[in-house]
Amino acid sequence: DADVTQTPRNRITKTGKRIMLECSQTKGHDRMYWYRQDPGLGLRLIYYSFDVKDINKGEISDGYSVSRQAQAKFSLSLESAIPNQTALYFCATSDSGRGGYTFGSGTRLTVV
Amino acid sequence: DAKTTQPNSMESNEEEPVHLPCNHSTISGTDYIHWYRQLPSQGPEYVIHGLTSNVNNRMASLAIAEDRKSSTLILHRATLRDAAVYYCTSQGGSEKLVFGKGTKLTVNP
Repeated sequence: DADVTQTPRNRITKTGKRIMLECSQTKGHDRMYWYRQDPGLGLRLIYYSFDVKDINKGEISDGYSVSRQAQAKFSLSLESAIPNQTALYFCATSDSGRGGYTFGSGTRLTVV
Repeated sequence: DAKTTQPNSMESNEEEPVHLPCNHSTISGTDYIHWYRQLPSQGPEYVIHGLTSNVNNRMASLAIAEDRKSSTLILHRATLRDAAVYYCTSQGGSEKLVFGKGTKLTVNP
């Protein structure tokens, strides 16, 4: 099993629908992150969490919300999806301090 | 968070060394330098990170300039499987990584 698992892998949804992307990890890391990747723009940070009770906005949090249900689970929600939220979404984890991140395989989201 | 600058693309030949440069002139004294790579249709993969001294691991070496305003990721013998987008990032006091657009590495057989 992968250290960081994202579900679903692919999703097509309609404008205005609510959608949740889920992330779970078996690394035992306390820090979790959601990134968005668009062609030519690299990865941009949406939200991050340093523990269950700590949630922080990243560069592009508008239109998104998150929930840290447990140390191992961090979900990203789009309350009312819009077409410009079509992108690749990555979840990542890291240990306390300055260690390397472990990324999931990503969720490809298309909003039509 | 410090901004990093990398060339958009580089080419190398198989079995030759590759030096991928990164400028991070606004980095602070306690910011770590991280490198990740992303193969097509995959999530980014951690390669290496360091603070001041040069670092080596099984994947690559990281050479950090004495003034820490630049660094170089060294792949000692490029293989076709090393073709990827390589991201240089910095990790500051907030401990979150901010990614740039990366360098697309092409490895020619």
